[in-house]
Amino acid sequence: DVKVTQSSRYLVKRTGEKVFLECVQDMDHENMFWYRQDPGLGLRLIYFSYDVKMKEKGDIPEGYSVSREKKERFSLILESASTNQTSMYLCASSVGSGTDNEKLFFGSGTQLSVL
Amino acid sequence: AQSVTQPDIHITVSEGASLELRCNYSYGATPYLFWYVQSPGQGLQLLLKYFSGDTLVQGIKGFEAEFKRSQSSFNLRKPSVHWSDAAEYFCAVALYQGGKLIFGQGTELSVKP
Repeated sequence: DVKVTQSSRYLVKRTGEKVFLECVQDMDHENMFWYRQDPGLGLRLIYFSYDVKMKEKGDIPEGYSVSREKKERFSLILESASTNQTSMYLCASSVGSGTDNEKLFFGSGTQLSVL
Repeated sequence: AQSVTQPDIHITVSEGASLELRCNYSYGATPYLFWYVQSPGQGLQLLLKYFSGDTLVQGIKGFEAEFKRSQSSFNLRKPSVHWSDAAEYFCAVALYQGGKLIFGQGTELSVKP
């Protein structure tokens, strides 16, 4: 089974801190994604990557950046955390080609609280 | 505007009763359609998907969904709900194969004994 692992389940940070959320997948998937999940808003795409060192903005990239130096790892960076970035962050991966390209495998999520 | 809408924020059904969760989309062409489930404390899991062909698709855990082009809908159904089906359900679309997924707001399902 595909495993997508997010480094922290819960994280508490202070306003202005630089925050790193890490995600690792173990099935050699090409695509990786970062979403945030907020009540009543569903999942919104922050950034995604179709290849190593490649990144594309999603729907809400402001205040975030990403890094993909290795195929299996996709990091989300909050340069200067703000309270409105308190949310559940979900990492996902997918194969990258073929009919299962859209089938996303999700991590369990990181609940980030910014105080 | 292009959107995916799940009209019901929260639904409660009795165990053993039938279930229908609604999903509507607003796009020019027929998108690729998906239903995901998120159990408490878990990531999302794909239940089923529709690309083309038979408009009634079967998924895992006894779920099915029907695509209705005339209504721009892709509703999820289950004939008999089990307590373990309590979760949040998300409808999603992709505008083309390989395209990024766009999720609806989610419907939380509660199951009462």
